[in-house]
Formats: sequence, structure tokens, C-alpha cells
Amino acid sequence: AQTVTQSQPEMSVQEAETVTLSCTYDTSESDYYLFWYKQPPSRQMILVIRQEAYKQQNATENRFSVNFQKAAKSFSLKISDSQLGDAAMYFCAYRSANGGATNKLIFGTGTLLAVQP
Amino acid sequence: DAGVIQSPRHEVTEMGQEVTLRCKPISGHNSLFWYRQTMMRGLELLIYFNNNVPIDDSGMPEDRFSAKMPNASFSTLKIQPSEPRDSAVYFCASSRVGTNQPQHFGDGTRLSIL
Repeated sequence: AQTVTQSQPEMSVQEAETVTLSCTYDTSESDYYLFWYKQPPSRQMILVIRQEAYKQQNATENRFSVNFQKAAKSFSLKISDSQLGDAAMYFCAYRSANGGATNKLIFGTGTLLAVQP
Repeated sequence: DAGVIQSPRHEVTEMGQEVTLRCKPISGHNSLFWYRQTMMRGLELLIYFNNNVPIDDSGMPEDRFSAKMPNASFSTLKIQPSEPRDSAVYFCASSRVGTNQPQHFGDGTRLSIL
């Protein structure tokens, strides 16, 4: 079974600085998708960024980028120029590329990010 | 476009009562997912539907839980009878069919069973 591990329960960053959130996963599959979701205090689950495992190029969305290391099964999220609105719980998630019963997202336990003014 | 709409946003009820959570997926999305979030277990999938048909319900904790999707624009998650350990935030998410399609989440229902 696939698992997702986020080893940093909490992180803190100064406004305008850069922070990296870690995520590792375990799978025997070769094709899959990885996601980062943001959950602010409002409780919404907001998709931040996603990565297809077959792509070597790291995904980027404005201030958010990932460092995807397939061999190491690592998928870290970098937030540049941190803003107060980035404060939230961040979840790393895995999804198999095989269809059928493996369509679910498997989530890590989350990293709570605080942004200091 | 409207996102995934869940109701109610909060529900407080007494143990033993029936609880019904509702979800309207994004128009055009054919897959619908119910997740539960607790401090102890984090986010876990309860059940998901493709084209209104349940595909994987292995996450449904026990027979007290049931989910239906009578049409493409509506789904319910029912707990009967409810127990205090069912207290959690329940999320509904939808996507287009296909594992490469991102799931879009509703705002969740915070359920408290007294």
C-alpha cells in the first residue's frame, strides 16, 4: 500500500522569505500523481500544485514550486516570497495513475506553516 | 463557476440521531469523493463514485454509514445511528473522470455528535 509522510508537523517562516516543506512517499508503482493542498483556518482544501511522475520537469505555479526526486521518492514544496496569506496547513497527497479502485488521494499528516510578519 | 457545494456547514446532534450530509459537485464532473478528516486519522477516503456508480467504498467505517448518488448533481452521506466517534469534518470532492484530473473540494461539514 502507498504511504505519504510529512515529517515536519510545524514550520515557521518570515514574511518575504523562502520556506521548503518536505514530503516523502512509498510506492511500488511507476506512474502516479503528487499534489500539495493548502488548508487555511477557513477549512477549505485548496489545490496548490501537482506533479505527474512521468515528467522530469518540476512543476511551478507562481511563488510555489516543487522539487520532485522520483528515485528518492521525495516531493518537497518551496514557497518563495512568503506572504501572510500563505499561513495554513499543507498536505502532500499521492494518487495512483491506475484507474479503478486506486483513484483515491492518499494524504500525509500535514505541516502547519506559520508566517511571521 | 460554482465550486463543490456542501451542506450543512456545521451540524450538531445527539448520539443516536440520523445525520445526512449533502453535496453538489461541480457541473461536468463525473467523479465524486467523500473524505473524513479527524485529528487521529487525518484525511481518509470513505467512498467514491464514477458516473453515479459507487466504485470503492472500502473506507466506509461500518454499516451505519451509507452514501448515495441518485444523479450527477447530488450526493448524500448518511450516518444512522450516529455516535460521538463520528465527530469529524466531512469533505466532498469532485473531478472529471480520470486519474490525471485534480479533485476540487467543498468547504466541508463539521459534524459534532454529543
